[in-house]
Amino acid sequence: AQSVTQPDIHITVSEGASLELRCNYSYGATPYLFWYVQSPGQGLQLLLKYFSGDTLVQGIKGFEAEFKRSQSSFNLRKPSVHWSDAAEYFCAVAVQGGGKLIFGQGTELSVKP
Amino acid sequence: NAGVTQTPKFRVLKTGQSMTLLCAQDMNHEYMYWYRQDPGMGLRLIHYSVGEGTTAKGEVPDGYNVSRLKKQNFLLGLESAAPSQTSVYFCASSYRVAGELFFGEGSRLTVL
Repeated sequence: AQSVTQPDIHITVSEGASLELRCNYSYGATPYLFWYVQSPGQGLQLLLKYFSGDTLVQGIKGFEAEFKRSQSSFNLRKPSVHWSDAAEYFCAVAVQGGGKLIFGQGTELSVKP
Repeated sequence: NAGVTQTPKFRVLKTGQSMTLLCAQDMNHEYMYWYRQDPGMGLRLIHYSVGEGTTAKGEVPDGYNVSRLKKQNFLLGLESAAPSQTSVYFCASSYRVAGELFFGEGSRLTVL
């Protein structure tokens, strides 16, 4: 069965510092991969997605993610974090040809002034 | 410009009571999903639908039933509520399996 693991429950970074949020998935073939962000009391918003092709994908708000097949990873990065980036981030995987979209446990990001 | 609408937004139930959460989308999406969100657990898929008249089980389907009689609506039912079903429930829809999910605002359910 497909699964998604986000090893870091909570990360704190200083404003202006770089950020990397980790995501590992378990699935035999290459799945569709996503990153979503959730601000407090809100629903989720799509940051970026990977289907195929270029393994480095660009998203909204200055985020990017890199698909590494050998490591079954899809880590999210941002070169310089802003205070407004404080939120919870979810990695998700969908099976190609299927209907299920499975989310990881989430990583809560705090930003220090 | 409604998008995905969930009703009710808040509900308190007693153990053993039943209720139905309604999700409505006006984007003509084929795929619809019900998730529950609990602290430290992320979003867990309860049931989903790939089209009108079809439903399928997700990761945590026990204690829930769903129906998709109309393309725009996806109902989530609790026949006999239990305290373990206290959670925030999110409905989402997408135009295809790899498409962007559009989420409702969530429904907070408390079972006493």
